[in-house]
Amino acid sequence: GEDVEQSLFLSVREGDSSVINCTYTDSSSTYLYWYKQEPGAGLQLLTYIFSNMDMKQDQRLTVLLNKKDKHLSLRIADTQTGDSAIYFCAELTSNTDKLIFGTGTRLQVFP
Amino acid sequence: DAGITQSPRHKVTETGTPVTLRCHQTENHRYMYWYRQDPGHGLRLIHYSYGVKDTDKGEVSDGYSVSRSKTEDFLLTLESATSSQTSVYFCAISPSGQGNGYTFGSGTRLTVV
Repeated sequence: GEDVEQSLFLSVREGDSSVINCTYTDSSSTYLYWYKQEPGAGLQLLTYIFSNMDMKQDQRLTVLLNKKDKHLSLRIADTQTGDSAIYFCAELTSNTDKLIFGTGTRLQVFP
Repeated sequence: DAGITQSPRHKVTETGTPVTLRCHQTENHRYMYWYRQDPGHGLRLIHYSYGVKDTDKGEVSDGYSVSRSKTEDFLLTLESATSSQTSVYFCAISPSGQGNGYTFGSGTRLTVV
């Protein structure tokens, strides 16, 4: 079945790295995404990774994909207060055109 | 978000009344989606459309209907609102349904009293 899980909260100090984790159950996922939601706003696409990749880096963001364990992570280097938001992972399975979202991780960055 | 507008942004309605939420896009994207966001559940798909008059159910479609009579508009209707439908509703659009992700609207906060 389709199920995407995330831890609900993460708190980090400004300047440290943040790592947000996600597990999924559908091995046929083709793309996996990370979205960011700031208070009172919609979701904004941060980055995505194709299922045949292990890693993708985009400035301060690093996405790691372990297909064997069905584990996806998002690392934010040098975390800033502006990174405080809810982060959602999402998967797109091969036979559908629908994104399945995780529950979201609320990242809080303190000085 | 550029190219996608939801209306209204906020609404309070009474139990048992019909409610229609509107999603309008100017991107000419084929796919449109309605999600609801609730604490502890993330985003759950209600209905989606893959073309004019072509719609399909998502995982939480009970109590909701949709219509898409033209490419730019996707309407979500709660036929008889219940308190369990109090939520934040997001519309999303996508050109292909794959790969490049979705663009989301700013959301509609609906309260059913």
